[in-house]
Amino acid sequence: DQQVKQNSPSLSVQEGRISILNCDYTNSMFDYFLWYKKYPAEGPTFLISISSIKDKNEDGRFTVFLNKSAKHLSLHIVPSQPGDSAVYFCAASIAGANNLFFGTGTRLTVIP
Amino acid sequence: GAVVSQHPSWVICKSGTSVKIECRSLDFQATTMFWYRQFPKQSLMLMATSNEGSKATYEQGVEKDKFLINHASLTLSTLTVTSAHPEDSSFYICSAGHRDPATDTQYFGPGTRLTVL
Repeated sequence: DQQVKQNSPSLSVQEGRISILNCDYTNSMFDYFLWYKKYPAEGPTFLISISSIKDKNEDGRFTVFLNKSAKHLSLHIVPSQPGDSAVYFCAASIAGANNLFFGTGTRLTVIP
Repeated sequence: GAVVSQHPSWVICKSGTSVKIECRSLDFQATTMFWYRQFPKQSLMLMATSNEGSKATYEQGVEKDKFLINHASLTLSTLTVTSAHPEDSSFYICSAGHRDPATDTQYFGPGTRLTVL
């Protein structure tokens, strides 16, 4: 069964507004979470990460929030730009393990 | 939900040997599978696209004779690293997708850590 889930396959947002991408996980052992951005025919590019000891990490326009009790994380992009249009994957791992578990992705379209 | 497995999850081998990594879709038929390699800063580089019953399509700069890909069935794709060298040490991830180009859904395997001594 999928241990990391992105329940929204697509999201459309107006340029300048906030984009919120959501991700849920089931394994309470996960302690490190990542967001990737993917363009067609390319590999996912690392965007931002968060350790389970934090509940927020910010990098420019990108902020990731982690709610451990709800096993939920979200990626906020503000303000959204047309160049942000891509597929976003969240991923989770356990420190010291060799595995990286991905969600199935959410396609973000930012409308000019 | 769909699950993709990889085997082994980690492998250590001597330089010059070959290593096979399996990628299986457990509950759906994957017409297309993708192989990635993780680089520093954690981004994934697309190595090749594997279509069931046909030859894999390799990305520029990826040696097809070194990284052999076989997609013999709708549930299994294999990546063989031939004559492995220490610089091949990396984290290899596969994903399985659907033929429908309208969907971007991909199901990733958990990855295989290769260490070449």
